[in-house]
Amino acid sequence: DAKTTQPTSMDCAEGRAANLPCNHSTISGNEYVYWYRQIHSQGPQYIIHGLKNNETNEMASLIITEDRKSSTLILPHATLRDTAVYYCIVRVAGGSNYKLTFGKGTLLTVNP
Amino acid sequence: GAVVSQHPSWVICKSGTSVKIECRSLDFQATTMFWYRQFPKQSLMLMATSNEGSKATYEQGVEKDKFLINHASLTLSTLTVTSAHPEDSSFYICSAAKVAGGGRTVGELFFGEGSRLTVL
Repeated sequence: DAKTTQPTSMDCAEGRAANLPCNHSTISGNEYVYWYRQIHSQGPQYIIHGLKNNETNEMASLIITEDRKSSTLILPHATLRDTAVYYCIVRVAGGSNYKLTFGKGTLLTVNP
Repeated sequence: GAVVSQHPSWVICKSGTSVKIECRSLDFQATTMFWYRQFPKQSLMLMATSNEGSKATYEQGVEKDKFLINHASLTLSTLTVTSAHPEDSSFYICSAAKVAGGGRTVGELFFGEGSRLTVL
């Protein structure tokens, strides 16, 4: 799986949009971009994934650059409960090898 | 959404004893489950891939005789830490791949709440 690079930590004010960047310059054509988050002492939670088009769901939006070498996860109105470690992972979807390899992620702290 | 449940959520045991952790997919079938371990302030590290009805595939450096994995049904995988020692104290997390129609898997993996093991 392609390697990803994320900032170690970020801060965001409550109610503002949180924009979390991820670089994945070695991504392959059949690899998707996945985002998960882990709140302290809990299991990871799926947020969103995409291949090349921008995606939006009830939790977040995912913006993928045209060359697919980077992406941004957007939490439109961050709340204190969004404080967590956010992981950007690239991998092939489905098939016989769909395990997730976690990097260090970004610790997002939402401040009141 | 799909639910994955782990039991127990936390366990304390004496050194030398064995501990079993269960991972269940509550509302979907999972032919494949994954076991991770997470030490404090570190990321998740994949230990093994558990396939229903076959032997688990272990990542490099993970002792298969120490971490026994059984995936006897499409909704249950178990991890047994044998002869546990204090260095095995960790947060163990499982995840399951939801099987879509036609045997395909959907994109996302679903994670359990984690099981915290403390070995005294």
